[in-house]
Amino acid sequence: DVVMTQSPLSLPVTLGQPASISCRSSQSLVHSDGNTYLDWFQQRPGQSPRRLIYKVSNRDYGVPDRFSGSGSGTDFTLKISRVEAEDVGVYYCMQGTDWLRTFGQGTKVEIK
Amino acid sequence: QVQLQQWGAGLLKSSETLSLTCAVYGGSFSGYYWSWIRQPPGKGLEWIGEINHSGSTNYNPSLKSRVTISLDTSKNQFSLKLSSVTAADAGIYYCAGISILEWSWGQGTLVTVSS
Repeated sequence: DVVMTQSPLSLPVTLGQPASISCRSSQSLVHSDGNTYLDWFQQRPGQSPRRLIYKVSNRDYGVPDRFSGSGSGTDFTLKISRVEAEDVGVYYCMQGTDWLRTFGQGTKVEIK
Repeated sequence: QVQLQQWGAGLLKSSETLSLTCAVYGGSFSGYYWSWIRQPPGKGLEWIGEINHSGSTNYNPSLKSRVTISLDTSKNQFSLKLSSVTAADAGIYYCAGISILEWSWGQGTLVTVSS
């Protein structure tokens, strides 16, 4: 199995300030087709998760541009340029390169 | 964008079979992987398995011996069966429709397992 490791697991942030979450995979996520299937999800309290980013850096429809994804190989990052109150929740990375999809442990973002 | 609505029994006894169904609205079955994902209380997400429009399945090896995911294209529905449940199977179960450009989620079903 591809193990996904996120850090930090808890991230207190000040409104309007940037935030960054790291995700590392136990093996390269570059698929044989040349794509890298690394996604980011947001789960607000009491809600179903929502995909924010697909294939490392592509924002899903309707996702604010303050969210951005970057990285390659085994190291990936989700950045929020200016945190807003509605961004509180748990963020997960997930790899879809291997047939067995695996998620990171989650990073809880809260307002200081 | 497809929308998903799921239902099924939420209270089970140990050794019973969990059975959930997810209806797909607003899209076709082709081009998507139809998946089930679960979340134990207070914990993270675990992928259970998926089925594509032709009926080909992939299952998480940790659950493979107990899981069946099936498709009913005539009703635009797909289903999950998990046999011999224990307390470790409790949590919220989500159905999902996955494509490169879209990932849609059901509303989730809380599953409780009693002894």
